[in-house]
Amino acid sequence: GQSLEQPSEVTAVEGAIVQINCTYQTSGFYGLSWYQQHDGGAPTFLSYNALDGLEETGRFSSFLSRSDSYGYLLLQELQMKDSASYFCAAFSGNTPLVFGKGTRLSVIA
Amino acid sequence: GAVVSQHPSRVICKSGTSVKIECRSLDFQATTMFWYRQFPKQSLMLMATSNEGSKATYEQGVEKDKFLINHASLTLSTLTVTSAHPEDSSFYICSALGDRGNEKLFFGSGTQLSVL
Repeated sequence: GQSLEQPSEVTAVEGAIVQINCTYQTSGFYGLSWYQQHDGGAPTFLSYNALDGLEETGRFSSFLSRSDSYGYLLLQELQMKDSASYFCAAFSGNTPLVFGKGTRLSVIA
Repeated sequence: GAVVSQHPSRVICKSGTSVKIECRSLDFQATTMFWYRQFPKQSLMLMATSNEGSKATYEQGVEKDKFLINHASLTLSTLTVTSAHPEDSSFYICSALGDRGNEKLFFGSGTQLSVL
């Protein structure tokens, strides 16, 4: 089977840096994606890592270690609008993405 | 980027009625679409994979006769919740793989179904 584990909730201060971890167990693993979802909205794609290392896109970065079956999403210079749920998702070839249970990020002043 | 349009955004209906949700890829052809269900503060649960011109593939535990999926064209997939009951109330989201790669899903805006 396939499973992804991530913390259920994280709270951080505006302007700070927060890291959301994700560990996975999947067969035929190709890569790890991250999605952001605001309350009542649809998920939006943030990043995808197929290779080990850090991918940076503006304030958001994502990291993957295939040997450790581990990845993380790093959010810098947190803003109030970053308060949302963040899902890691494993991509395994032609099979649909399997999503983690999501991490609810609350950014406080 | 690829755009997926989902309609309606919100439905309130009486128990026993059927509800149809449409999902369209606006600027690309989607041979495969996915239907997810999400309860409040929970993750997305894959219900079925919809393939153009063929029968949908349902996940274990999803009733194919209750959740009818039709993917009649490369840009349209529909989900019909038949004889809806209060326990079917949920957020339903469709998604499609972009035509440039398989790792990125583009999501519709979702449909909040409330069955009274």
